[in-house]
Amino acid sequence: EDKVVQSPLSLVVHEGDTVTLNCSYEVTNFRSLLWYKQEKKAPTFLFMLTSSGIEKKSGRLSSILDKKELSSILNITATQTGDSAIYLCAVEGWYSGGGADGLTFGKGTHLIIQP
Amino acid sequence: DSGVTQTPKHLITATGQRVTLRCSPRSGDLSVYWYQQSLDQGLQFLIQYYNGEERAKGNILERFSAQQFPDLHSELNLSSLELGDSALYFCASSVGGGYIDTDTQYFGPGTRLTVL
Repeated sequence: EDKVVQSPLSLVVHEGDTVTLNCSYEVTNFRSLLWYKQEKKAPTFLFMLTSSGIEKKSGRLSSILDKKELSSILNITATQTGDSAIYLCAVEGWYSGGGADGLTFGKGTHLIIQP
Repeated sequence: DSGVTQTPKHLITATGQRVTLRCSPRSGDLSVYWYQQSLDQGLQFLIQYYNGEERAKGNILERFSAQQFPDLHSELNLSSLELGDSALYFCASSVGGGYIDTDTQYFGPGTRLTVL
């Protein structure tokens, strides 16, 4: 059974700080790892990382996939209060027959940015 | 506004009943995903369709079923409802269905289901 563990569960920092969120996974036949941001509404898709795209960046957010260590990090630099949210990590594997296995989510990291 | 629409916004029903949730993807998106979010289980992937065909299946109960129609809208049917089915149900859509590395999922606002 696929498994995703995120750490820390909760993190409180001051505005302007840089944070690193961690995601480790166990999945049969890894296909992709995804990051989402969720405030008090629907999730927002951030990144998808695959074997051919192990590093993604968008503004102050960046993410790296380490296939050897079966993990990924999400970095947020120069944090702002608007970054306060729950950050979710999910992985997808392949069935042995070649089909997609669906997404398995971690419990999330609750990030709070204090002014 | 993501461009993904979900109806209804809220739904209150009794145990044992059956409901249908509807999702219209963004224009041009071929794939629809369904997720369930409850307080105790977090966000869970249910099922995904790509261009009318089921692509991936997650923790979807046998009492639940879904389909994607030729116009690409999707419906999630929940039957024999139990108290534990109370949750937020999100739909998301994407162009590539996860087949392309630059694919992006766009989430709808969700349907809040309350089973009494």
